[in-house]
Formats: sequence, C-alpha cells, structure tokens
Amino acid sequence: QKEVEQDPGPLSVPEGAIVSLNCTYSNSAFQYFMWYRQYSRKGPELLMYTYSSGNKEDGRFTAQVDKSSKYISLFIRDSQPSDSATYLCAMSAANQAGTALIFGKGTTLSVSS
Amino acid sequence: KAGVTQTPRYLIKTRGQQVTLSCSPISGHRSVSWYQQTPGQGLQFLFEYFSETQRNKGNFPGRFSGRQFSNSRSEMNVSTLELGDSALYLCASSSPAGTTINTEAFFGQGTRLTVV
Repeated sequence: QKEVEQDPGPLSVPEGAIVSLNCTYSNSAFQYFMWYRQYSRKGPELLMYTYSSGNKEDGRFTAQVDKSSKYISLFIRDSQPSDSATYLCAMSAANQAGTALIFGKGTTLSVSS
Repeated sequence: KAGVTQTPRYLIKTRGQQVTLSCSPISGHRSVSWYQQTPGQGLQFLFEYFSETQRNKGNFPGRFSGRQFSNSRSEMNVSTLELGDSALYLCASSSPAGTTINTEAFFGQGTRLTVV
C-alpha cells in the first residue's frame, strides 16, 4: 500500500461547478497537509497548507483534513477554466529529522467553459 | 520577493555523464529540498539540506548527491547518468530564519533533464 493514494482522474467539469479532490494516507504520523497546483511544464504552486485536523478556507478553495479517517480533501467552488491543472496532495510528519513531503500522484482537472 | 530559482531550465546529457543542477531558495529560507518528478512515479523526495547539513534523504542511489552553501544556495549532482534519470528535478525552499521545522515549501520551476 502506497503511503499516499490519489485518484489520477482525469476529472472534467463545466465552468462554475464545485470540484472535490481527495487523498487518503496510511501514515498516522503525518501532521502537515498541503495542496499544490501544477500547470504543464511548471513547478508546483502551493495552494493550501494545513496543520492537523480541521478546515481551512482561502477564497474559492477549502481544505479539509480528517486525521481519524486519514483522509484529506480540497474543494474548489465556482471552478474556472484557469483552474485546469494537476492537483497534488502532499503531507509530512515533520520533525527534527527533516520535513520531507510525501506526494500523491496528482489528479488532472479540466474545467470547460 | 523573488521565488525559488533553478538553473538551467533544460538539459540534455548522454548516458554515463554527470550533471549538476543549481537552486537558489527564497531569501531568508534555510531549508532546500530536492524532488524528482516522473510520469510513472510522480514526485519523489531526494534529500533535504538545512544550514549546510543534509538533514534527510530519500530512497535514491548514491549517484544522487547534493550540497548546500552558506548562503543557502544548493546544488544537486547526478553521476553516471542512466536513461531512467530523465525527469523534472524540482527544488523547494522552506524554513524562514527563526524556524527549524516548517513544511510550507515553495517550489521552483524545475530543471528538465533528458538523458540520451
């Protein structure tokens, strides 16, 4: 079993739809959870950063972490064609030994106008 | 505020050669991590440097090495290149001055290495 599982998609939605992206993980030591957006031929861009369980909202984006279920989600409201990209979840145990991020494989999202 | 800068952006090398990639982190960040991204394996952690010391290492062969300088700039070296080393190599910086553990990592645009 991989440490982080993410459905690769592709996921296609019409403009204005609500998008739900998810990851599951197996390592209960993970405490820091991130979502990155990556456009083709670009580096990943940090969207959301969450510590432990709970919700975090930033504009059209909401991140949820449920540590009891080892499940994290990213919701995108009022999706736009510019949201078309690959979305990567990442997580870390983070301690004095380092802050290595473990990534999911990424979900490819396409928003059509 | 300048972001993470990686050079060069593209490289083509021949099997058996070695290559050095460079990364300049965000000003004030003390941690630099390197990742390899391939279509099959996704993003995989190579190693992390903090204050010129390797703090963490992923599961890659010894052909992959790195170092960090006193100004936090980092270099990654791959020796005896293999076809399978073709990938996008990404550098991420984190840990602003005053923190030792900060996973809020910001990535550069990457260096696309092609081994022929």
